[in-house]
Amino acid sequence: QKEVEQNSGPLSVPEGAIASLNCTYSDRGSQSFFWYRQYSGKSPELIMSIYSNGDKEDGRFTAQLNKASQYVSLLIRDSQPSDSATYLCAVSLAAGNKLTFGGGTRVLVKP
Amino acid sequence: DAGITQSPRYKITETGRQVTLMCHQTWSHSYMFWYRQDLGHGLRLIYYSAAADITDKGEVPDGYVVSRSKTENFPLTLESATRSQTSVYFCASSDTGVNSPLHFGNGTRLTVT
Repeated sequence: QKEVEQNSGPLSVPEGAIASLNCTYSDRGSQSFFWYRQYSGKSPELIMSIYSNGDKEDGRFTAQLNKASQYVSLLIRDSQPSDSATYLCAVSLAAGNKLTFGGGTRVLVKP
Repeated sequence: DAGITQSPRYKITETGRQVTLMCHQTWSHSYMFWYRQDLGHGLRLIYYSAAADITDKGEVPDGYVVSRSKTENFPLTLESATRSQTSVYFCASSDTGVNSPLHFGNGTRLTVT
């Protein structure tokens, strides 16, 4: 079992719709969770960080964390073509200074 | 401008040659990381450093060497490049380790022929 798993997609959503991305992780002691966006040929850039159970909203983005079920999700509301990218989930493991990334979910927003 | 800079952006080298990828950050972040990104494997940690003169292995350290004599620099050396090391390499830094966000450089695309 991979430490951090994401559906590779592509997740195709119409413009203006909600994109829902999921990420599961295996280490129950994980403390910090991040979503990064990566455009093709570019470096990852941070969208959201979340550290405690519940929802965290930032503009059109909402991160949801459920430690009991070991998943973290990202909602993108009012999706725009500029949201088309690969979204990487990253989880800090309980032991050591290691941030583990999932394989990423490719999102395509169609006008 | 403050930030994290990688050089070169693109590099082609031959099997068996030594190559060094450079990483420089101006934030005075304590932690620095090297990742490689390959199709089908995502981002994998090669080495990281918690401070000057402190380094530790990540998930895929074999064939790589790092050093950190100054806080702002974290070079990655491939001592004898192999084709399997063809990849995109990202350097990143963070203030307090993996519980704070990582800031990535623009990456180095390395091709080993």
